[in-house]
Amino acid sequence: QLQLQESGPGLVKPSETLSLTCTVSGGSITSDSNYWGWIRQSPGKGLEWIGSIHFSGNTFQNPSLKSRLTVSVDTSKNQFSLKLTSVTAADTAVYYCVRRWAESSGAFGFDPWGQGTLVTVSS
Amino acid sequence: EIVLTQSPGTLSLSSGERATLSCRASQSVSSSYLAWYQQKPGQAPRLLIYGSSSRATGIPDRFSGSGSGTDFTLTINRLEPEDFAVYYCQQFGSSTAPFGQGTKVEIK
Repeated sequence: QLQLQESGPGLVKPSETLSLTCTVSGGSITSDSNYWGWIRQSPGKGLEWIGSIHFSGNTFQNPSLKSRLTVSVDTSKNQFSLKLTSVTAADTAVYYCVRRWAESSGAFGFDPWGQGTLVTVSS
Repeated sequence: EIVLTQSPGTLSLSSGERATLSCRASQSVSSSYLAWYQQKPGQAPRLLIYGSSSRATGIPDRFSGSGSGTDFTLTINRLEPEDFAVYYCQQFGSSTAPFGQGTKVEIK
């Protein structure tokens, strides 16, 4: 059973860089049909897609975050990562890592999800 | 960039009733690329519906999705106590994957 687990600091200072890693277990990150992504949820708010990456390095990024965002993949460790620079309090959120799963008909879904990790931006 | 608008914001219903949730896209989207998620307090969201109408593994058949073009619907027949939650629609675009703002289904 595929499982995803986020890891990284729970507290980041304003103007610094938020860095998170997602470890994939129970399956290979090099599966050609899958993309791997990040989604966040500010306290009491809705879901915001951040970006997605294929093991080949192909990425899609939320235009509103693109200038501060780097998503990368480490196939040797079966992990993918998120870096968000110049953070502010508005970046405080629960960050989820997900797999973009592709069904044989061409439909997609985000499944499974990691449990999420709360990152607070504060001095 | 496609914007998804969900309505209503909150739906107050009793167990056993039917819930009808709407998701409207700012421009036409492929039915293959529309998904629905359920999120309960303190939990990660889970995939309910993909391809606008196909249930994900383990999802009860009281959940159904429909729609095309710009208008999509999630229907929950005979609400069970565990169905009271927040529901999000989401679209897989050519380069983005936006979510709707969510509909909360609460106990009346």
